[in-house]
Amino acid sequence: AQSVTQPDIHITVSEGASLELRCNYSYGATPYLFWYVQSPGQGLQLLLKYFSGDTLVQGIKGFEAEFKRSQSSFNLRKPSVHWSDAAEYFCAVGASLAEAGTALIFGKGTTLSVSS
Amino acid sequence: NAGVTQTPKFRVLKTGQSMTLLCAQDMNHEYMYWYRQDPGMGLRLIHYSVGEGTTAKGEVPDGYNVSRLKKQNFLLGLESAAPSQTSVYFCASSYIPRGPAWETQYFGPGTRLLVL
Repeated sequence: AQSVTQPDIHITVSEGASLELRCNYSYGATPYLFWYVQSPGQGLQLLLKYFSGDTLVQGIKGFEAEFKRSQSSFNLRKPSVHWSDAAEYFCAVGASLAEAGTALIFGKGTTLSVSS
Repeated sequence: NAGVTQTPKFRVLKTGQSMTLLCAQDMNHEYMYWYRQDPGMGLRLIHYSVGEGTTAKGEVPDGYNVSRLKKQNFLLGLESAAPSQTSVYFCASSYIPRGPAWETQYFGPGTRLLVL
């Protein structure tokens, strides 16, 4: 069965420091991978997605992620964190549904705190 | 262009009461989804729809019904609410990708439901 693991429940990073959030997936076929961010009391916003091609994917807000098939990973990175990046981050894999469309299989999320 | 909107934002129910959550999108998307988000669980798919007049079950459909009478609206109903249905409910919509691409789901702001 498809699954997504985010090993870190909570991470604290100093403002200006680099960030890496880990994501591991289990999926039988070629995975379609996503990172979403959720600010407190808000909905989910798509940061970036990987479909195929270049394994280093650029997203919004200065985020990037690298797909590594050999490690079944899709880690999210940012070179310099801003206080406004404090939020919850979700990694997800897209799984085809029987009717059509896609079910997003989400990890449990990583809460990012930014210290000054 | 409001994107995906959800009504209401917050609701308190007593056990056994019924209610309907409304999701509306103005992007002419074919696919619509209902997810629930519980602490430490990420988001899980309840029901989905791949077009007007069609619905299908997701991962956790029990206790919920849905209808898609109009393309832009996707309703989630709770016939007899239970405390286990206390959660945050997110609606998402997406378009059918053209060519070698993967669909991207756009999320609403969520409805916070408390069942006492």
